[in-house]
Amino acid sequence: QKEVEQNSGPLSVPEGAIASLNCTYSDRVSQSFFWYRQYSGKSPELIMSIYSNGDKEDGRFTAQLNKASQYVSLLIRDSQPSDSATYLCAASDTGNQFYFGTGTSLTVIP
Amino acid sequence: SAVISQKPSRDICQRGTSLTIQCQVDSQVTMMFWYRQQPGQSLTLIATANQGSEATYESGFVIDKFPISRPNLTFSTLTVSNMSPEDSSIYLCSVDSLAGGTDTQYFGPGTRLTVL
Repeated sequence: QKEVEQNSGPLSVPEGAIASLNCTYSDRVSQSFFWYRQYSGKSPELIMSIYSNGDKEDGRFTAQLNKASQYVSLLIRDSQPSDSATYLCAASDTGNQFYFGTGTSLTVIP
Repeated sequence: SAVISQKPSRDICQRGTSLTIQCQVDSQVTMMFWYRQQPGQSLTLIATANQGSEATYESGFVIDKFPISRPNLTFSTLTVSNMSPEDSSIYLCSVDSLAGGTDTQYFGPGTRLTVL
């Protein structure tokens, strides 16, 4: 099992809808979890980090962590066309090494 | 978060030549990393650039092919040696920063390399 796994998508949602992105992780990575957004031709940009069970909200973004089920998700409310990008899930281990998922491509349709 | 710059932003190179990519950070950081991202793929860690000692390479990457320097806490270089078309990729520098009590990685803008 890979350390971090994501559904590659593509995921399409209409403008204004909630986009839900999911990620599962292995026992090896259990410290902190991150969501990055990557526009085509650009470098990854950190959106959110989470390391405690539960929800963490920042504007239209909510990260959810469930350590018992080993998944982390990102919800984007009121999706906008500018949210169209690839979203990378990442996790760190006790040595602070990062492991990245393969990314989920999101398209928000106007 | 730290401001990270990379040079060059892109280059087109001939097979068999070498290219050195520079990464500059606006503040001192302990950890710097080099990643490769091939078209349509996720990030692959090449190595951790250690200040004052040799870089730590991941499986599948060797110093002869990807020599790395880290002369101080704000600067690192990655050289892609004896290039082949398979080396065409985006090369990304990242730094580890303690943000809100959590070690977090931030990325530079990347260097898009095309090898003919």
